[in-house]
Order: sequence, then C-alpha cells, then structure tokens
Amino acid sequence: DSGVTQTPKHLITATGQRVTLRCSPRSGDLSVYWYQQSLDQGLQFLIQYYNGEERAKGNILERFSAQQFPDLHSELNLSSLELGDSALYFCASSYSPEGEPYVYTFGSGTRLTVV
Amino acid sequence: GQNIDQPTEMTATEGAIVQINCTYQTSGFNGLFWYQQHAGEAPTFLSYNVLDGLEEKGRFSSFLSRSKGYSYLLLKELQMKDSASYLCAVKFNDYKLSFGAGTTVTVRA
Repeated sequence: DSGVTQTPKHLITATGQRVTLRCSPRSGDLSVYWYQQSLDQGLQFLIQYYNGEERAKGNILERFSAQQFPDLHSELNLSSLELGDSALYFCASSYSPEGEPYVYTFGSGTRLTVV
Repeated sequence: GQNIDQPTEMTATEGAIVQINCTYQTSGFNGLFWYQQHAGEAPTFLSYNVLDGLEEKGRFSSFLSRSKGYSYLLLKELQMKDSASYLCAVKFNDYKLSFGAGTTVTVRA
C-alpha cells in the first residue's frame, strides 16, 4: 500500500457519460497530480494541485476537470466520454513541488473502460 | 512530452546486466527519476539523480550527465521479477514530472 488511495479501481461506462475519479493523497502530502496512461503509451500529465490550488496543467481536455478539496483529496471529472478516453488514470502525491525529497508516490490507478 | 527518449523494449537473460538509456532536452532540467511499473500496476520509485554521477542502490544503479542530457539505469543480476516497464521521468522547472514512454524489459530464464 503506497498510501495514495484511488477509487474506484475499475469503471465501465458508456460513451457520452460522465464519471468522477477520486484520489486521497498520502498523509502529509500537499500536492496531487493526475496522469493518464493509455495502452502502449507513457504517462501523460493532466493536472496538478497544490494545497487546494491548481498549480500546473498539461494536455488536459476541456471535457476533463479536477479539483482539490480542503481535506486535500482530489477528484477528476471526465465528461462526454469517448471510446478514446479508455485508459488507466493515476493519481500521485508529493510533499512539495519545490522541496526535496519530492518523490511522487502513485496510487494503484482507476481503469476506465468506455464502451 | 519534452523529448524524453528511451528504447521501447529490451530482453536479457536471468543473472545478466541490462542498461536502459534515456535522453532528454536539457533546458529547464531539475532532476531525473526512474520508476518501475509492472503491467497494470502503479509505478514505483527506483532512483533519483540531480547531480552528475552514479547513484547505486543494491542491484540498481542510475547515472546522470546533465551536460549531455543523458541518463541510464543499470540493472544487475537480473531476476525474473525484474520483468517490467522502466520509466524515465524528468522534472523540469514547470513543476510537473514528464515521463518517457517506458522501456519494457523481459527477463528470460
């Protein structure tokens, strides 16, 4: 157990639907990062939050949004789902983006299948 | 993203040594990480380099040359359980960690 909790582990939904993925960071970690990993592709950075505020944005689609709550858990919302959104979605946390050590600790991921 | 390149696949025999190379753009470099990822599982941290040189951790070592934009991960005394994808990740000055596509290492008996 890495200390980063992601729910649900698996999600199967239809095209056009909306889903919410949840992440609880490791205790004491203020930053949360979301990554998408499609089949045969590397981890693609989506978005980062630090202590409740958006810190950095990657190639995140407009149909996707995220937020980090006061208790530091984060949610990634995916809407108008398309077949191509099927992927593993990982959440990671770290203590601080500026300080050391800032090793990213990953959750076990949510496997999203859009049918 | 940000031109992080590593080989797609490598195969080696149990007990052997394998070296996985990674090149990256040097502009804005702020640290390099290696992660191991078994199929369908979360990436797990292996090593971190921010200064030039070799970092050794048991059977795994990682090397960095900042001027060349080059790193390698050395896996010694390979075991079957080392069959996995190895991800090179670079931290640039924009806070996020950018990953290469990963190198799938297959260890054969």
